[in-house]
Amino acid sequence: RKEVEQDPGPFNVPEGATVAFNCTYSNSASQSFFWYRQDCRKEPKLLMSVYSSGNEDGRFTAQLNRASQYISLLIRDSKLSDSATYLCVVKAPRKTSYDKVIFGPGTSLSVIP
Amino acid sequence: DAGVIQSPRHEVTEMGQEVTLRCKPISGHDYLFWYRQTMMRGLELLIYFNNNVPIDDSGMPEDRFSAKMPNASFSTLKIQPSEPRDSAVYFCASRSQGHEQYFGPGTRLTVT
Repeated sequence: RKEVEQDPGPFNVPEGATVAFNCTYSNSASQSFFWYRQDCRKEPKLLMSVYSSGNEDGRFTAQLNRASQYISLLIRDSKLSDSATYLCVVKAPRKTSYDKVIFGPGTSLSVIP
Repeated sequence: DAGVIQSPRHEVTEMGQEVTLRCKPISGHDYLFWYRQTMMRGLELLIYFNNNVPIDDSGMPEDRFSAKMPNASFSTLKIQPSEPRDSAVYFCASRSQGHEQYFGPGTRLTVT
């Protein structure tokens, strides 16, 4: 099983739609979680961190379910500019010998006019 | 802040040639990462440094790949000899302890 798994998509949604991405991770001791966004032919950039209690940033809501070991990202009122690949990122447990983040394969989103 | 700087942005070379990719991390960041991204394998961590010391190089594909960080402001990733299957986008990223990673714009490598 891969350490971080995502549905690759693509998700094709109309403008204004609500879309949700899920991500699962294998290491139950993982401590930190993030969503990154990567535009076509660009570098990944941090979209938001994921907190245990869930967090919201404008149209974006991130949630963590530790019991099921999954993270979700909800985008409301999709815009054309939301078209990108969304990468789920999990940070290795702090008690390991090194500090490492693991990127999921990404989910592709296309918002259609 | 200029962000993470990588050079060259594009590199086209012939199989068997040596390729050197360069990275300047954000000043003050003590972690530096080298990633490779392909359609088939996604974003893969190759190696990372902490305070200029290589910590985990388990992602380096084989002996043809080597990375150095002679000082806090410079790192190189070298491929010798290069092969067509090395064609990918290579990203450098840096961060400070407990904070997010910032990626450079990447080097798009094509080996013919």
